[in-house]
Amino acid sequence: DGGITQSPKYLFRKEGQNVTLSCEQNLNHDAMYWYRQDPGQGLRLIYYSQIVNDFQKGDIAEGYSVSREKKESFPLTVTSAQKNPTAFYLCASGRLWEQFFGPGTRLTVL
Amino acid sequence: GQQLNQSPQSMFIQEGEDVSMNCTSSSIFNTWLWYKQDPGEGPVLLIALYKAGELTSNGRLTAQFGITRKDSFLNISASIPSDVGIYFCAGRPLGGGADGLTFGKGTHLIIQP
Repeated sequence: DGGITQSPKYLFRKEGQNVTLSCEQNLNHDAMYWYRQDPGQGLRLIYYSQIVNDFQKGDIAEGYSVSREKKESFPLTVTSAQKNPTAFYLCASGRLWEQFFGPGTRLTVL
Repeated sequence: GQQLNQSPQSMFIQEGEDVSMNCTSSSIFNTWLWYKQDPGEGPVLLIALYKAGELTSNGRLTAQFGITRKDSFLNISASIPSDVGIYFCAGRPLGGGADGLTFGKGTHLIIQP
C-alpha cells in the first residue's frame, strides 16, 4: 500500500531528553513536511524538505532538528531545548499543490 | 505569515441536515484544499481546488474556489454520523514559496442524535 507512516503512535518523554519521531513515505514524493498541532490550533510548520540532503526551517523550528538522507524518510528530533514539546506531530509529503498526511505521533512530556 | 479565517468554529447539527463552512483570506490564494481530521488521526484530503470559480464534488461534499480568490466554501449534504470531525481549509498564497500550506483553525462538526 502506498502511504505515509509515522512511528510511534504515542511517545512519552522525560524532561531533558531528546526524542526522534519517524516518518516514512513510499509515494515517491520529493517534498516532506513536519507540522505541530495543539488543541484548538491550526497546523504550524516546523521544518520542510524539498529534496534529499536539503531542508528549511518553518515557522516554529526552535528546539527541533531534522535530517533528509533518503527520499523516503524525514525524521524529526525534539530536543531538550524545546520548551513545550507536548503536542500532536504530523508528517506530510506531497507535491507543490497538495500534501498528504501520516497518522500522527502524540508526544507527551512527563 | 498568511492567516486563514475559518468559520464557523463549531457546528451542532442534526443527522440529515446540510452543512456549510467557509474559509477567507486577506490575500489572494492560488490553491485551496479541504481536509477532514478524525480524533487522534492525521488529516485526510477531501477536495483540492486550483482555479477561481471552480466547483468540485466528492460524493456528498462540494467545494468551491471563490471568484475573488480570497475565499473557499465547503458544503456537505445530508450529513451522516461519520461526518463528525474537524474540517480544515488550507491554501497556498499567490507567490507563495515551497514552505508548506497555510491552515485555518478548523470547523468542528458535531452531529446530535
